[in-house]
Amino acid sequence: GAVVSQHPSRVICKSGTSVKIECRSLDFQATTMFWYRQFPKQSLMLMATSNEGSKATYEQGVEKDKFLINHASLTLSTLTVTSAHPEDSSFYICSARDQGVHTEAFFGQGTRLTVV
Amino acid sequence: GNSVTQMEGPVTLSEEAFLTINCTYTATGYPSLFWYVQYPGEGLQLLLKATKADDKGSNKGFEATYRKETTSFHLEKGSVQVSDSAVYFCALTSYQGAQKLVFGQGTRLTINP
Repeated sequence: GAVVSQHPSRVICKSGTSVKIECRSLDFQATTMFWYRQFPKQSLMLMATSNEGSKATYEQGVEKDKFLINHASLTLSTLTVTSAHPEDSSFYICSARDQGVHTEAFFGQGTRLTVV
Repeated sequence: GNSVTQMEGPVTLSEEAFLTINCTYTATGYPSLFWYVQYPGEGLQLLLKATKADDKGSNKGFEATYRKETTSFHLEKGSVQVSDSAVYFCALTSYQGAQKLVFGQGTRLTINP
C-alpha cells in the first residue's frame, strides 16, 4: 500500500517555541491531506483539511493562527504548532489521500509532541 | 451530520475467541465504510473497507458487511490472536460530508494468551 511518512515521531520542546511536523506521501500524489489530534485513549479529532496550493480549512474550535498548515506540493504538508504550551502536548497524525471518496486514506506514523 | 458509534471498550478476550465489535453510522447519501487499526504508538492502518450496500470487506481474517438496512458495519473475526491487540476505529466518508473521514470513538482490544 501507499506510504505516508511523518517526521519527527517524537519531539520535546520548551514552552513558547514553535514546532514543525512534516507529512510526506512517498509514492502517490496526495490531493488532500488531513491533520488530526489524538488525546490519550480517545478518538482522532480532525483539525484541518488541506488541499495542495490552497489555504487549509480548519474545523470549528481549532485556532488557525496557532496551528499553521502548509500544503505546498502534492507530496508534502506541514503543521507548525506556534508558541507551544503544555496543553498542546498530544499525538498528532496526518493522513493523505488521492481524489475520490472511495479511496482509502493513508496515515503517517504520528508525532508525539511534549511541551515542557 | 455524519457520525459513527462504536461499542465501548475495552474488550478483553482469550486467544482463539470469537470477536465482534459493533459499529453503527448515521450519514446522508451513500457513504463508504472503513475499519482502521492502531497499534501502540503508531498511526492508523486500513484494515478493510466497503463502498456500497451488501459489500463485505475482509482482511487478515477480519470481516465486516455493509448493512444499509441497519446502518451497521460490525467487525468480526472467528479466532483472535494476541497480535490482534490494538485499538480499532470504524469510520465513514461521503461526498456529502466533504469527503472527510469521520471516526468512531475507537475500541481497545486486548487478547490474552
